[in-house]
Amino acid sequence: DTGVSQNPRHKITKRGQNVTFRCDPISEHNRLYWYRQTLGQGPEFLTYFQNEAQLEKSRLLSDRFSAERPKGSFSTLEIQRTEQGDSAMYLCASPQLAGVTNTGELFFGEGSRLTVL
Amino acid sequence: GDSVTQMEGPVTLSEEAFLTINCTYTATGYPSLFWYVQYPGEGLQLLLKATKADDKGSNKGFEATYRKETTSFHLEKGSVQVSDSAVYFCALSERGSTPLVFGKGTRLSVIA
Repeated sequence: DTGVSQNPRHKITKRGQNVTFRCDPISEHNRLYWYRQTLGQGPEFLTYFQNEAQLEKSRLLSDRFSAERPKGSFSTLEIQRTEQGDSAMYLCASPQLAGVTNTGELFFGEGSRLTVL
Repeated sequence: GDSVTQMEGPVTLSEEAFLTINCTYTATGYPSLFWYVQYPGEGLQLLLKATKADDKGSNKGFEATYRKETTSFHLEKGSVQVSDSAVYFCALSERGSTPLVFGKGTRLSVIA
């Protein structure tokens, strides 16, 4: 158990519907990361937060995706008007150490698997 | 940009065989290098890491040496077990700046 909690673990939805995933990171960690993993691929970076500020967004994060971390604690990732290509595992991660410095190592949650029919 | 290239799988080995999974990287600076493992039905776990050239990371019998001259970080284990069956990901991070960049993963199956 890495201490990073994600829910729901699995979401099945119809194309066009909106979905939201939640991540509760390791407490007292300033940074929080979101990744996407499709079948047979490695995790791909989507976005990250330092406290409540979203500092970087990948070009993979289309306009239909929005992430928030309103109080610098938990985070949500919302996908609007889902498409079949959005089917993937969405991973949340916390860095190794609390504080500003990023050592590079990340602790991952077990992920939220999205299936779009 | 930064990238990681791993040997493609799947790799199938008999128990007690020697394992090598190749990983090479491209980076502009001096990254930290990692191997992560994903066992069936479980989340990503850090297996080992190395933060500077010539460092050797090791854990659970696995080893990898940070080779700056060949930009490589190959994963090795002298004698694999069935329980090592998993997907292995090589990754890098430019220290203090960019998020982890992963390779595509290599699936290992060990048969008794």
